Amino acid sequence: TQLLEQSPQFLSIQEGENLTVYCNSSSVFSSLQWYRQEPGEGPVLLVTVVTGGEVKKLKRLTFQFGDARKDSSLHITAAQPGDTGLYLCAGPVRSTDKLIFGTGTRLQVFP
Amino acid sequence: NAGVTQTPKFRILKIGQSMTLQCTQDMNHNYMYWYRQDPGMGLKLIYYSVGAGITDKGEVPNGYNVSRSTTEDFPLRLELAAPSQTSVYFCASSYLGQGPDTQYFGPGTRLTVL
Repeated sequence: TQLLEQSPQFLSIQEGENLTVYCNSSSVFSSLQWYRQEPGEGPVLLVTVVTGGEVKKLKRLTFQFGDARKDSSLHITAAQPGDTGLYLCAGPVRSTDKLIFGTGTRLQVFP
Repeated sequence: NAGVTQTPKFRILKIGQSMTLQCTQDMNHNYMYWYRQDPGMGLKLIYYSVGAGITDKGEVPNGYNVSRSTTEDFPLRLELAAPSQTSVYFCASSYLGQGPDTQYFGPGTRLTVL
């Protein structure tokens, strides 16, 4: 069974700090995605990484896909209160059309 | 383009009652999904559909039923509500072409069963 575990589960930081969120699995994924979910809303896709070792940047957010395609990380530089939300990683279930979601990291950024 | 819409936004049910959660998308997506999200948790797939007339079970289908008579609509039916079905329900859609797809989510339905 493919599983995606995220760490940390909760993160509470001050504005301006840097942070990294991790998404790990013992299984190989063909790609991994990161979604952000704000309170009272559905998740919204931030990025998809498809190549082992790939790094993608989205303004202050840097996403990396592990060389072995078993893990991914999300690094936020100089966090802002607008970054507050639930961050979810997701990957396709092998040989299906379904996604499996990680357990989520809840980030709170205080002004 | 409204995207994915869900109704109702909130609902309180008594044990044993039934209800239908509505989901509509206007993006002509072939794939549609129902997830539940329990407090502090990720998303668990309940049912999904790859096109009109075709549905399949996800990870947690017990206590739910679905139908897909049109491309746009994918209602989720709870027949005998139980407290364990208290959760936030999200509908999503995607167009599965080549490569990893993007799932577009609705705003969710918050359901409480008392």
